[in-house]
Amino acid sequence: DQQVKQNSPSLSVQEGRISILNCDYTNSMFDYFLWYKKYPAEGPTFLISISSIKDKNEDGRFTVFLNKSAKHLSLHIVPSQPGDSAVYFCAASVGSQGNLIFGKGTKLSVKP
Amino acid sequence: DVKVTQSSRYLVKRTGEKVFLECVQDMDHENMFWYRQDPGLGLRLIYFSYDVKMKEKGDIPEGYSVSREKKERFSLILESASTNQTSMYLCASSLSGTGVEKLFFGSGTQLSVL
Repeated sequence: DQQVKQNSPSLSVQEGRISILNCDYTNSMFDYFLWYKKYPAEGPTFLISISSIKDKNEDGRFTVFLNKSAKHLSLHIVPSQPGDSAVYFCAASVGSQGNLIFGKGTKLSVKP
Repeated sequence: DVKVTQSSRYLVKRTGEKVFLECVQDMDHENMFWYRQDPGLGLRLIYFSYDVKMKEKGDIPEGYSVSREKKERFSLILESASTNQTSMYLCASSLSGTGVEKLFFGSGTQLSVL
């Protein structure tokens, strides 16, 4: 059973608009959540994280929101840029040093 | 900058062959990991190692083994390659005691088993 779910395999957004990528998890022990970005022919790179003691973390154009009661997190990109086009993976762990469990990924396309 | 280097970008092998995927990191990291990435399945952990000569099974270790004889090198071995092992293989490393966001990935090896 998948513990980290990204139910949208793809998302297309116009440049300048907001991109919202969603992630759900089932394991209530998870207390650390991350987003990774992956371009073709490259390894994933860390984007932003949030611990369960927070409900929001912001870094420039990227904001992650965590709703613990719903076991749901989302990544907002505002404004979206064509260079943001990539596959985004949601990941979770028990503790900040636990092994990461990844979702299936969402392919974001930002159209100029 | 941390560099995680995977020896081959693309690899084509035949069913039944023994396959070695090599990974080297240059930042003296204790922890090393092997993942595979498949469309629609995301990244799944195969094996990991927290120290030289130590190894732990991940979520999908069947059909794989690993070797960590030196701190900087972590090898993934497919004892007898099968077509269902065609995948993108990603190596990663991290420093012990640091948070999970300090996980650095290599560029990946796309393995095709024919």
